[in-house]
Amino acid sequence: DAMVIQNPRYQVTQFGKPVTLSCSQTLNHNVMYWYQQKSSQAPKLLFHYYDKDFNNEADTPDNFQSRRPNTSFCFLDIRSPGLGDAAMYLCATSRSTGPNQETQYFGPGTRLLVL
Amino acid sequence: GQSLEQPSEVTAVEGAIVQINCTYQTSGFYGLSWYQQHDGGAPTFLSYNALDGLEETGRFSSFLSRSDSYGYLLLQELQMKDSASYFCAVRGSQGNLIFGKGTKLSVKP
Repeated sequence: DAMVIQNPRYQVTQFGKPVTLSCSQTLNHNVMYWYQQKSSQAPKLLFHYYDKDFNNEADTPDNFQSRRPNTSFCFLDIRSPGLGDAAMYLCATSRSTGPNQETQYFGPGTRLLVL
Repeated sequence: GQSLEQPSEVTAVEGAIVQINCTYQTSGFYGLSWYQQHDGGAPTFLSYNALDGLEETGRFSSFLSRSDSYGYLLLQELQMKDSASYFCAVRGSQGNLIFGKGTKLSVKP
């Protein structure tokens, strides 16, 4: 089945220790998104890739970076995690054109714990 | 800027009908989506309205009035499995989503 995959599902890191979260997709969608969701809050868009074009939200901290080496993979790098970065990180994909372009397909998320 | 307002919690009983309202303010409007998210799970797409009117998908329907900047999600014949958070979201110019804060629906027996 075509899907969005996130690994790992749970990630524990230490305060200040760089961490990378991974997302892959078999949907061949050209747009990929990273959201941060804290408990009982709405998902908040961090950035997205429109093909290889990177789009950063204005209020996304510099501590968060992203890479998209090819259509299928996208990575979220947190350079120096703080306690406030503990959250669920959701990857999503969509088409930019054609049918169902309004639909975003979410991965299961990676829950990050910062000690 | 963009903002969305929806109730924080709604409680209903099995078999009932519930309506979750959403009002929005946006600098440009491309459509209103609804997503369902169970505790610990990922958001899943329910519906999308770009034009005024009602869209029906099984037990779920979604309505949009662009002139009122208002939409709602209607859930019929509620089941226990419908207990979840429901988010309305507006679509930005690049396809990105701006989510409301979510409505936690609790379905009681």
